[in-house]
Amino acid sequence: DGGITQSPKYLFRKEGQNVTLSCEQNLNHDAMYWYRQDPGQGLRLIYYSQIVNDFQKGDIAEGYSVSREKKESFPLTVTSAQKNPTAFYLCASSITVSSYEQYFGPGTRLTVT
Amino acid sequence: EDKVVQSPLSLVVHEGDTVTLNCSYEVTNFRSLLWYKQEKKAPTFLFMLTSSGIEKKSGRLSSILDKKELFSILNITATQTGDSAIYLCAGSIYNQGGKLIFGQGTELSVKP
Repeated sequence: DGGITQSPKYLFRKEGQNVTLSCEQNLNHDAMYWYRQDPGQGLRLIYYSQIVNDFQKGDIAEGYSVSREKKESFPLTVTSAQKNPTAFYLCASSITVSSYEQYFGPGTRLTVT
Repeated sequence: EDKVVQSPLSLVVHEGDTVTLNCSYEVTNFRSLLWYKQEKKAPTFLFMLTSSGIEKKSGRLSSILDKKELFSILNITATQTGDSAIYLCAGSIYNQGGKLIFGQGTELSVKP
């Protein structure tokens, strides 16, 4: 089955710890994205990657970091510098960066206390 | 600043009703408007609208874009409980790496 997987589904961390969220796709898509969703708000773009070894900041990149060493993987690290990390995180991919139809993974709900 | 605004934010209807969800946008270098349905977790793609005035249909769902007035509507006829979800609209931008500007979403609840 082709698709996007995110793990874990739920993640709990103590304040001050870095945490890495996994995103893997087997759709052979070039472009991948990370969004954050808060209650009552739409999705906000954190980072995106057009191709392997390349990524750009989105609208709310502060306190986050990413890597794109393999086409199928785009992990997101939430660092201790992120002031309000508790949220629902969604990963997405598209065939290319010009393909505006994005396919989403099931999300990871991160709770930091 | 680019923005997308959806209304209403929440809506409760009964099965069989017809609903209209609204999406207005102010997006520089606007390319297209996308609609997604989100049930609990992953948003699923519904429509992408690029041209003004051309309706797209999929079963009981339809959508249209007005590029002059900068808005789109999503219609759902003969609603079913399975239509209960958050509906998201997003604007895409030319030459911005696939970046989408999302609205807040409309939470639709369909009661039996």
